[in-house]
Amino acid sequence: AQSVAQPEDQVNVAEGNPLTVKCTYSVSGNPYLFWYVQYPNRGLQFLLKYITGDNLVKGSYGFEAEFNKSQTSFHLKKPSALVSDSALYFCAVSHVGGTASKLTFGTGTRLQVTL
Amino acid sequence: DAGITQSPRHKVTETGTPVTLRCHQTENHRYMYWYRQDPGHGLRLIHYSYGVKDTDKGEVSDGYSVSRSKTEDFLLTLESATSSQTSVYFCAISRGLGDQPQHFGDGTRLSIL
Repeated sequence: AQSVAQPEDQVNVAEGNPLTVKCTYSVSGNPYLFWYVQYPNRGLQFLLKYITGDNLVKGSYGFEAEFNKSQTSFHLKKPSALVSDSALYFCAVSHVGGTASKLTFGTGTRLQVTL
Repeated sequence: DAGITQSPRHKVTETGTPVTLRCHQTENHRYMYWYRQDPGHGLRLIHYSYGVKDTDKGEVSDGYSVSRSKTEDFLLTLESATSSQTSVYFCAISRGLGDQPQHFGDGTRLSIL
């Protein structure tokens, strides 16, 4: 069975500083990994994905993620945080089994960016 | 934003009543999903559809049923609502398998008293 862990319930960072939101995964075979962001009273928005290839993946809004196979991690990063980045972030792993792809989500990390 | 509409956006109902939530898409995507979001659990898959009239169970399917009679509509039904089904429900759609991201609607907040 696949699983995703987001070890931090909340990450606090000052605007302008770099941010990292951590994610580790467990899956058999090659992983398809995703990051999503959720703003209040909204659905999840797709940020970026890792399928294969370059270990550094670039996504929307200046976010990027680093895939590390040996550590089974897929941490989300941004060089300079903005107050508007404050939101709930979810890491997910995709498993193709049977009739569809199924996403398994982590429990989410709340990012708080302050002035 | 992907063309996904969930209705209603909010609903309050009583234990034991039937409830149906609707997801409507304008993207003509083959795959549709229903999730529930609860604190401390992230999102958990309830049911999904891989085509018209083709559905299957997810990890938390007990107490829920689904139907898909048209490509664009995916209905989630709680036959007899219980307080444990109070949650925020999200519909998602996807073009394909594996590496294709899912795109989410804005959710339905359901309270069962």
